Amino acid sequence: EAGVAQSPRYKIIEKRQSVAFWCNPISGHATLYWYQQILGQGPKLLIQFQNNGVVDDSQLPKDRFSAERLKGVDSTLKIQPAKLEDSAVYLCASSPVLYNEQFFGPGTRLTVL
Amino acid sequence: QKEVEQNSGPLSVPEGAIASLNCTYSDRVSQSFFWYRQYSGKSPELIMSIYSNGDKEDGRFTAQLNKASQYVSLLIRDSQPSDSATYLCALTGFQKLVFGTGTRLLVSP
Repeated sequence: EAGVAQSPRYKIIEKRQSVAFWCNPISGHATLYWYQQILGQGPKLLIQFQNNGVVDDSQLPKDRFSAERLKGVDSTLKIQPAKLEDSAVYLCASSPVLYNEQFFGPGTRLTVL
Repeated sequence: QKEVEQNSGPLSVPEGAIASLNCTYSDRVSQSFFWYRQYSGKSPELIMSIYSNGDKEDGRFTAQLNKASQYVSLLIRDSQPSDSATYLCALTGFQKLVFGTGTRLLVSP
């Protein structure tokens, strides 16, 4: 069974630029999550989808972050414009049902200069 | 009060010893509890899940849940240097999955 796929693995941009991350969950997993993990901290949930609907985006900075999962499968997370404090690892995870065991992708390490 | 609290460590144990990792939480209605292992520079990997009070064993790992006292723990028996990692406690609380900041475990040969 293929795991959660993410791309790119690394990204370096300058502040005020935009960036997008892609995630493809495990086949058949209805729930998809995007997390932000800053060095030395636990993952912080940004948004979670159930199929193509948003379940929770309360911690997503909506003035600069957006995410979509149009067909209920893969998902894109965008940051525009990026700030220095957005430097982090962005993790995508999926689970077969809401709040169940989650499986993480390899993450995208973002550096904002 | 933080939703999920873990001692950041590092917790240092010699090879072959038992490592005990603890996690306390504030939401009394939490139903599902998970332990993830995260190696440096890698993503979290699920190692245990527990849903009811008591102990759950899987190989060298034992998860213990006490909902009345609002804590969950992870015991690692016969610790190996390869167990050196950060261990994240996660649970469903406040209608979402919440992670602790993790405990760093160092197992010395």
